Amino acid sequence: KQEVTQIPAALSVPEGENLVLNCSFTDSAIYNLQWFRQDPGKGLTSLLLIQSSQREQTSGRLNASLDKSSGRSTLYIAASQPGDSATYLCAVRMDSSYKLIFGSGTRLLVRP
Amino acid sequence: GAVVSQHPSRVICKSGTSVKIECRSLDFQATTMFWYRQFPKKSLMLMATSNEGSKATYEQGVEKDKFLINHASLTLSTLTVTSAHPEDSSFYICSASRPDRGNTEAFFGQGTRLTVV
Repeated sequence: KQEVTQIPAALSVPEGENLVLNCSFTDSAIYNLQWFRQDPGKGLTSLLLIQSSQREQTSGRLNASLDKSSGRSTLYIAASQPGDSATYLCAVRMDSSYKLIFGSGTRLLVRP
Repeated sequence: GAVVSQHPSRVICKSGTSVKIECRSLDFQATTMFWYRQFPKKSLMLMATSNEGSKATYEQGVEKDKFLINHASLTLSTLTVTSAHPEDSSFYICSASRPDRGNTEAFFGQGTRLTVV
């Protein structure tokens, strides 16, 4: 059974810092991995999608990497801003059934 | 990007009543939608897969008669919480993928905060 873990559960950094969020999964036979952002009381916003054949994806200040063999993905946020404060969730898709298995999230606070 | 819309965003209902939540794909047709539940400060748990024109597939432990799902068209799935109780209070979110774009990326609605009093 696939299990997705995110570390740390919470992170507080001063504005301007570069930071890394971690996501690990127990079954490496994933279809793809997706990073989401969730603001309090809101839905999920898709940030980056990495297919199983890819090693990284970039969007603006965000860079996500994928190492299937070790069951890990990282989300790198450069030059963090207070507006980046949110919960970041990673989710893996195992097959064509489209089901997503989520990690428990990392709550990020970027202090001005 | 694709847009998935949920309605209502918040609902308060009395214990014993039923509540319907709608999930719409606004600019694409979704043969499959998903319903998730999220407890405070917890991750999302998949409740069921909604299939257009057929019965929903429920995850283990989810009561079918409690959470009724209807996917009557390619752009609309509804989740009805029947005979709601305070323990059903939660954040419910739906998602869909775009079949015309290979169904690779999941798009989520804004979520519905249900409070049962």
